[in-house]
Amino acid sequence: EAGVTQFPSHSVIEKGQTVTLRCDPISGHDNLYWYRRVMGKEIKFLLHFVKESKQDESGMPNNRFLAERTGGTYSTLKVQPAELEDSGVYFCASSGRLAGIGEQYFGPGTRLTVT
Amino acid sequence: GENVEQHPSTLSVQEGDSAVIKCTYSDSASNYFPWYKQELGKGPQLIIDIRSNVGEKKDQRIAVTLNKTAKHFSLHITETQPEDSAVYFCASRERDDKIIFGKGTRLHILP
Repeated sequence: EAGVTQFPSHSVIEKGQTVTLRCDPISGHDNLYWYRRVMGKEIKFLLHFVKESKQDESGMPNNRFLAERTGGTYSTLKVQPAELEDSGVYFCASSGRLAGIGEQYFGPGTRLTVT
Repeated sequence: GENVEQHPSTLSVQEGDSAVIKCTYSDSASNYFPWYKQELGKGPQLIIDIRSNVGEKKDQRIAVTLNKTAKHFSLHITETQPEDSAVYFCASRERDDKIIFGKGTRLHILP
């Protein structure tokens, strides 16, 4: 069974540009989560999808971040325009239907560097 | 909201010795405490977890203890091996399913 995949693995962009990160969850997993780790700090929750609906987006830093999950399969996280403080590693995780009980499986992350 | 503190930030132990990582949490309603191991170039991987109705859980060389009264939990790795070198994160999960992570402990196993 394929795990959670993320693309790209690394992205370097200039301040003011736009970047779109993609996450493909484990097939059949309804729950999809985005997290972010800024250098030296803890991994922080950004948002949670149940299928195509946003269940909780309380962790999204500001309106420069837009997450979508059309069709309830893969998800994208767009940062527009990117700022220096957006640099970090963005993780995606997915879990099965029994949210709150099932283990969250993490992808390898996308390392975003904003220069 | 929930806050998870983790110590130490870096830990070096001789191969074969034990390693202990400690965490505290603030929300008494938290009921699930996973531990993740992150190796270079990979995402966090669940290695062991404990629920609030259990005080201790063991899986081979790894054990986790939970003290609900004091709101702290610990990871114990015995007979450490080189492949145990990684960053370890403690976490708690709130009722709304989000995971709150500690800042991580970089564990070095010395030959």
